[in-house]
Amino acid sequence: DIQMTQFPSSLSASVGDRVILTCRASQGISSWLAWYQQKPGKAPKLLIYTASSLQSGVPSRFSGSGSGTDFTLTISNLQPEDFATYYCQQANSYPYTFGQGTKLEI
Amino acid sequence: QVQLQESGPGLVKFSETLSLTCTVSGGSINNYYWSWFRQPPGKGLEWIGYIYYSGSTNYNPSLKSRVTISVDTSRNQLSLMLRSVIAADTAVYYCGRHPPGVGAFDPWGQGTLVTVSS
Repeated sequence: DIQMTQFPSSLSASVGDRVILTCRASQGISSWLAWYQQKPGKAPKLLIYTASSLQSGVPSRFSGSGSGTDFTLTISNLQPEDFATYYCQQANSYPYTFGQGTKLEI
Repeated sequence: QVQLQESGPGLVKFSETLSLTCTVSGGSINNYYWSWFRQPPGKGLEWIGYIYYSGSTNYNPSLKSRVTISVDTSRNQLSLMLRSVIAADTAVYYCGRHPPGVGAFDPWGQGTLVTVSS
């Protein structure tokens, strides 16, 4: 299985900040990476797919980049509703696997 | 817009079978892949497996010996069965759709908590 490692595991930031979350795959996954946002008690919400494509309806302050093994999710101008846990997920090979999450806290 | 809703017992006894249904509304189950996931309390996400509307499946090897995913296109539903459950199977279970060519899942159901009791 491809192992996905996210860092940091938690991050403190303030409204208006720009933050960068990182995800590393244990082997190359081309651009088959997605990012999700999850709030407590809610299902994950797709933000980014194929590493850098913004899902419809997701604010443009979210952006993704990377290919191969190293990927980033950048959130610019943090808003109060952005404080949540973020997961990356690889879709290069089965079984699909997720990172352990980065909790973004105020 | 497409919505997914999981349903089933919230409590399953040790060694018995967990059975859940995911009902798709606002769109057809046809021509898509559909997956099940789970998330133990306070932990990360695990992909359980997928089914194509035609019935072909692919399971996570970690669960393959205990899992069956099926589809009923006439009811716009997919189902999950997990046999011989243990305490570690306690989790929120989600279903989700694979848009084609995206390698990701959207939308997801709201999830349902299943607790394995002794």
